[in-house]
Amino acid sequence: EVHLVESGGGLVPPGGSLTLSCAASGFDFKSYWMHWVRQAPGKGLVWVSRIGLFGTTTHYADSVKGRFTVSRDDSRNTLYLQMSSLRVEDTATYYCTRDFPGAHDASDYWGQGTLVSVSS
Amino acid sequence: EIVLTQSPGTLSLSPGERATLSCRASQSVRNNALAWYQQQPGQAPRLFIYGASARATGIPDRFSGSGSGTDFTLTISRLEPEDFAVYYCQHYGYSPITFGQGTRVE
Repeated sequence: EVHLVESGGGLVPPGGSLTLSCAASGFDFKSYWMHWVRQAPGKGLVWVSRIGLFGTTTHYADSVKGRFTVSRDDSRNTLYLQMSSLRVEDTATYYCTRDFPGAHDASDYWGQGTLVSVSS
Repeated sequence: EIVLTQSPGTLSLSPGERATLSCRASQSVRNNALAWYQQQPGQAPRLFIYGASARATGIPDRFSGSGSGTDFTLTISRLEPEDFAVYYCQHYGYSPITFGQGTRVE
């Protein structure tokens, strides 16, 4: 069974940094593109980033470009999101998702999310 | 960037009724790369429809997707109690991936 478990969220002041992790199990992690999607409290879904196989291809939403870095460690079956220069508007639940083989860039499995709160 | 506009914002219906949710794109969605997700309160979203009309694994056939180009529709033929949730459309296949703002079915 596919499992995605995010961790690393918490309270951080504006301008601070945080690294999220997503531990994957139940599938051949290295063979899948992966994504991060976020959802501000009471708001809709926003795609944040994606990473291709071997980590050689990455893309970001304009709102996080230059501040966030996605990476993966296939030996540990883990996806990461390094976040720096955090802003109040980055406050959200961050979901790790698996790319759906039947529709590249749709997401067929989602973690339960980890909450990042940016506040002084 | 493709902007997706969902309507209505909220749909108030009763069990057994038919629900029709709309998703309009600001430009044509290539290859019908349009998905629908359901999100229950406090839960992660779940993929329901991809390719505009294909049901994901385990999705009941009362859910159907249709449309092409810029206009897409999710139809729930007869609402069951577990169908009351928020639904999001998503365009995928090239960056930036975008979501609509959601339709709440209550």
